[in-house]
Formats: sequence, C-alpha cells, structure tokens
Amino acid sequence: EAGVAQSPRYKIIEKRQSVAFWCNPISGHATLYWYQQILGQGPKLLIQFQNNGVVDDSQLPKDRFSAERLKGVDSTLKIQPAKLEDSAVYLCASRPGGQETQYFGPGTRLLVL
Amino acid sequence: AQSVSQHNHHVILSEAASLELGCNYSYGGTVNLFWYVQYPGQHLQLLLKYFSGDPLVKGIKGFEAEFIKSKFSFNLRKPSVQWSDTAEYFCAVYSNYQLIWGAGTKLIIKP
Repeated sequence: EAGVAQSPRYKIIEKRQSVAFWCNPISGHATLYWYQQILGQGPKLLIQFQNNGVVDDSQLPKDRFSAERLKGVDSTLKIQPAKLEDSAVYLCASRPGGQETQYFGPGTRLLVL
Repeated sequence: AQSVSQHNHHVILSEAASLELGCNYSYGGTVNLFWYVQYPGQHLQLLLKYFSGDPLVKGIKGFEAEFIKSKFSFNLRKPSVQWSDTAEYFCAVYSNYQLIWGAGTKLIIKP
C-alpha cells in the first residue's frame, strides 16, 4: 500500500512570497490533515478535511493560509504572503474511516528568508 | 483544553540501557493515547496506541507503554535500547476529534 505522498520535500523562499504544498493521501482515506511542526515542538493541526469538506480550521491563520481538497482526494496548502515565522515542516496525514490512527507523509520543510 | 507534556526534551543513553520516556496529559475521561516515532530522515510513524483494555500496551520494536489513569500518564518503555532507536518520540492524545501532541523527546543512543 502506497503511503501519504507530499511534494515538494524542501522549499526555500523569501518573505512575502507565496508557496504551495501538495498532498496525496492513502487511497480510500476520507480524512486528511495538515499540520505545522516548528523546530522543537510537536505538530500543530492547521486544518482537517473529511472528504472535500472542512471539519476544523480553527488554528489556520486564514489571513495568509488557505487549503483545499476539491475532489476529496489530493489537497493543497498555500501560504501567501509568507512570513519568517512560517519556517517549519508541513506535514500531511490521512486516516481511514472508523480508526483514530493517522498515517503521515514525509513532510515539506519550508525555510522563509 | 487538553494538553500533553513530555518531561524530557533530550535523552542520551548507552546501548543496552533501559528507557522510560514520560508523557502526561491534562485531564481524564475516555482517552485514546498514542506514541509516534520519527527516525532521522523518515516520516512520523505509529509506535503503539491505547484505546481500552489492558493498560500495558506492546508496540513495534520491543517498545511498550503503560496507561495509568490515576496519574494521567502514558509512559513509554524499552528494557534494552539499541543504536537504531535513535529518533524523536512523540506522545499524543486523541481529544475532540483531533490529536493533541507533546513537544517530543529526542533520544540519542551512544553505540
């Protein structure tokens, strides 16, 4: 079974630029999560999708972050404009229905200069 | 709101030493508890989980964890660590339909 795929793996941008991350969850997993993991901290949930609907985006900084999962499969997370404090690893995870275990992708490491 | 505390940010052990990593969560009720591990250069993966039943849970690679409800704890243990256990370990609690994570413990095993 293929795991959660993410791209790119690394990204370096300057502040005020925009950036987008892509995630392809495990086939059949209805629930998809985006997390932000700052160095030295645990993952922080940004947004949770159930199929193509948003379940929880209470911690998403909506003035600069946006995410979509239009067809209920792949998802993109965008930051526009980026700030220095957005430097982090962005993790995508998916979860099958009826289970609490989440399966993680390799993450995208973002550096904002 | 639920929170998770991991007592040590860094632990350094020699091979064959015993390991215990602490994890406490802030309030009770029915909880689902997890330990995830991130090996260098790899993605987060599930080490073990507790939902109900026997409070002593066994996971992959010889790890186990004990759920002690009265102490709000879910400590991770391994009787004899190996160099390949060098990784970052995260405790997490499933609460209000989301995982609440601890800050992680970096474990370094000296060969």
